[in-house]
Amino acid sequence: AQSVTQLDSHVSVSEGTPVLLRCNYSSSYSPSLFWYVQHPNKGLQLLLKYTSAATLVKGINGFEAEFKKSETSFHLTKPSAHMSDAAEYFCVVSERLAGGSYIPTFGRGTSLIVHP
Amino acid sequence: DGGITQSPKYLFRKEGQNVTLSCEQNLNHDAMYWYRQDPGQGLRLIYYSQIVNDFQKGDIAEGYSVSREKKESFPLTVTSAQKNPTAFYLCASKAGRNEQFFGPGTRLTVL
Repeated sequence: AQSVTQLDSHVSVSEGTPVLLRCNYSSSYSPSLFWYVQHPNKGLQLLLKYTSAATLVKGINGFEAEFKKSETSFHLTKPSAHMSDAAEYFCVVSERLAGGSYIPTFGRGTSLIVHP
Repeated sequence: DGGITQSPKYLFRKEGQNVTLSCEQNLNHDAMYWYRQDPGQGLRLIYYSQIVNDFQKGDIAEGYSVSREKKESFPLTVTSAQKNPTAFYLCASKAGRNEQFFGPGTRLTVL
């Protein structure tokens, strides 16, 4: 069975400082992992994805994440926060289930607050 | 432009009424999903469909119904049996193990 835990419900940073949003997952097989961002009252937008290629994944807007199988982690980072990064972030795990379907499992989300 | 659309953006319902939320995609994706999002909570899966004319219940299907008569369309009906329907509803589609594409959402409010 697959599951995902986002370790912080809120993260607060100052503009220009690094961002770290933590995600741990549990999966029986080789999972695909995703990070999405959601601005208020909007749909979700893909930031980056890991699908068994390079373990360091670069995404949009300067974000990146590293897949660490030994730690079952997929933490999201950015070297320097911008005010426009303030949003809700979701970590998602997806593995192939019996019958061949892929049903993503979402974390509860981390709210990123950026102070001027 | 390829994408996924939801309508309406805002919807108001009186208690006891059924309402239907529209979701359309032109991405040629086989799989489609409906999620409910409440304030401060993550996404909860209502229904999903892997192929036309087939769909399965998610974690919170009670009080909801869906149909998948066309590949492009996956409407969600919120019935009067859903006791607390006020929420933000998100539709998504996906191809295989790839990422999901999300619509802009519909905010449903019960008056």
